[in-house]
Amino acid sequence: QVQLQQSGPGLVKPSQTLSLTCAISGDSVSSNSAAWNWIRQSPSRGLEWLGRTYYRSKWYNDYAVSVKSRITINPDTSKNQFSLQLNSVTPEDTAVYYCARGTLRIAVAGSFNWFDPWGQGTLVTVSS
Amino acid sequence: AIRMTQSPSSFSASTGDRVTITCRASQGISSYLAWYQQKPGKAPKLLIYAASTLQSGVPSRFSGSGSGTDFTLTISCLQSEDFATYYCQQYYSYPPTFGQGTRLEIK
Repeated sequence: QVQLQQSGPGLVKPSQTLSLTCAISGDSVSSNSAAWNWIRQSPSRGLEWLGRTYYRSKWYNDYAVSVKSRITINPDTSKNQFSLQLNSVTPEDTAVYYCARGTLRIAVAGSFNWFDPWGQGTLVTVSS
Repeated sequence: AIRMTQSPSSFSASTGDRVTITCRASQGISSYLAWYQQKPGKAPKLLIYAASTLQSGVPSRFSGSGSGTDFTLTISCLQSEDFATYYCQQYYSYPPTFGQGTRLEIK
């Protein structure tokens, strides 16, 4: 049974960097069948997929256009976890952030599937 | 990006009712659709994927149907634990996108 445990600060100042970590149990961040995602939820934007990292002989990343210039998602194989960094945050980045496991459709490069399971969520408030 | 529109946005029902939630995609997505249930303060929980495949452990009173642009989630006999917000999600193409949610409240 795969479980995801999130950690990181709940308050970030404007213009600074939001950093969250998602620890994986029951699976491997280097799995050849999984993709590791970050998704956020806010009243104004709803559920918004932010990006993912996955390993298929080498590491790949995909990011949403809306945050592409500010986001980095990195795997940490030594700790079996992955992280989110979002730079230059503004109050509009205030949201509940979730990590989630996804997969790719077999033999379809760059494809997506559903998300399951999800981490418990972290409310991140951007405020001075 | 593909836009997902759910209807209604919210409604009230009673325990034992049969309810249907609709999700419409702005372009055809074949059957690449998932449904989630979210309760306050909790993460979304996967109910259905591939439009109609029930996730393991999800009660059989939940069912999904549709393909192309129009999809439905049906709960055949509402239980008290089913009052929650429901979301659809397309995974046909990048980026994966979600509907705005349907809040199901107790009448």
